Amino acid sequence: DTAVSQTPKYLVTQMGNDKSIKCEQNLGHDTMYWYKQDSKKFLKIMFSYNNKELIINETVPNRFSPKSPDKAHLNLHINSLELGDSAVYFCATAQGNTEAFFGQGTRLTVV
Amino acid sequence: AQSVTQLGSHVSVSEGALVLLRCNYSSSVPPYLFWYVQYPNQGLQLLLKYTSAATLVKGINGFEAEFKKSETSFHLTKPSAHMSDAAEYFCAVSDQGSARQLTFGSGTQLTVLP
Repeated sequence: DTAVSQTPKYLVTQMGNDKSIKCEQNLGHDTMYWYKQDSKKFLKIMFSYNNKELIINETVPNRFSPKSPDKAHLNLHINSLELGDSAVYFCATAQGNTEAFFGQGTRLTVV
Repeated sequence: AQSVTQLGSHVSVSEGALVLLRCNYSSSVPPYLFWYVQYPNQGLQLLLKYTSAATLVKGINGFEAEFKKSETSFHLTKPSAHMSDAAEYFCAVSDQGSARQLTFGSGTQLTVLP
């Protein structure tokens, strides 16, 4: 079983659309994250979600909203997609002093 | 605030040669430090981590790194490069708080020449 799984792996959509990326973990970790990797491969934290406490990176537009239906899932909703949203989005999880475990990424292309 | 600087966005070594990837960090609190590797179209895989125990940390695939507080460095080394080591390498720092958000360096692309 994959520890951190994201769906879809690839997503191509038009500007202005609303889309969601799903993340599921089977590690029992308390903390989940979304990271964005841009075209230059730079990785930046977007959100962390720990026991219903949401910590938001202030540079993330409010068109992005994380939603956690339960401890094992953290989905990312994006409204009114823009060309600049094209990137690879990674979900990750961590617990206590453990390192973060990453999913395989979702490559989002906005056309 | 924390930050990570990786010197050299591209490093090329010959197969069998020493690999040295540089990482310097800035942190106002004792840091946790990590090296991750990313193969093409893959997620990030942990190579090794420093969490305030031994300063010389051994990781997977023969990699190791040494935490030097006086130099604020956490350089990654491997004595002998293998073709399969070609990948993107990221150094990252996190604080010891509950969120443990990672701040990444800009990455170093390692090329291994035959």
